Amino acid sequence: EAQVTQNPRYLITVTGKKLTVTCSQNMNHEYMSWYRQDPGLGLRQIYYSMNVEVTDKGDVPEGYKVSRKEKRNFPLILESPSPNQTSLYFCASSFLPLSSSGGTDTQYFGPGTRLTVL
Amino acid sequence: GENVEQHPSTLSVQEGDSAVIKCTYSDSASNYFPWYKQELGKRPQLIIDIRSNVGEKKDQRIAVTLNKTAKHFSLHITETQPEDSAVYFCAAVNPNYGGSQGNLIFGKGTKLSVKP
Repeated sequence: EAQVTQNPRYLITVTGKKLTVTCSQNMNHEYMSWYRQDPGLGLRQIYYSMNVEVTDKGDVPEGYKVSRKEKRNFPLILESPSPNQTSLYFCASSFLPLSSSGGTDTQYFGPGTRLTVL
Repeated sequence: GENVEQHPSTLSVQEGDSAVIKCTYSDSASNYFPWYKQELGKRPQLIIDIRSNVGEKKDQRIAVTLNKTAKHFSLHITETQPEDSAVYFCAAVNPNYGGSQGNLIFGKGTKLSVKP
């Protein structure tokens, strides 16, 4: 079954304690991306990756890091989390380029990770 | 960079009526416009998309139109049903923003309520 998985699904942590949210896809997609979703602000892109070892900043990259050492995995790293990073995080994957999407079965979002930073 | 505005923020319709959600974008270089549906507590799902070389695309009860000159695109849902109730997001991809093809800019979403 084609899917994007994220772990953990829920996390409560404290300011400054490094954490990693994992994302994995089994569809051999080149493109992977991280978004955060906040009430009234919609979905904002944090980082994205076009392929292994190729990453780029999205709209709101401050305070986050990513790596793409393998095609299937794209972890999101918060080196020193702060309360303003409390949010719902989604990972997504797709074939590239996005503008060549052939239909609704070509982009997948993970189930989301709800992060609370106290 | 690209900016995507979405209206209205909330929309309430009677079952069977049509619903229209509109988005505008700022950079004429944007070339791909997907629409996502997000039900409460669930992940966004791509429901329809359109590329800049196409003016309209239809899939059963949903359709998307694109006006490149005016830089706006719209989602049309006909014969709405209660299960259409969700938050809908438009987005745009601008190949020049960030120097790549991967930067997806979302609108802030429209909460659609379909009343039985």
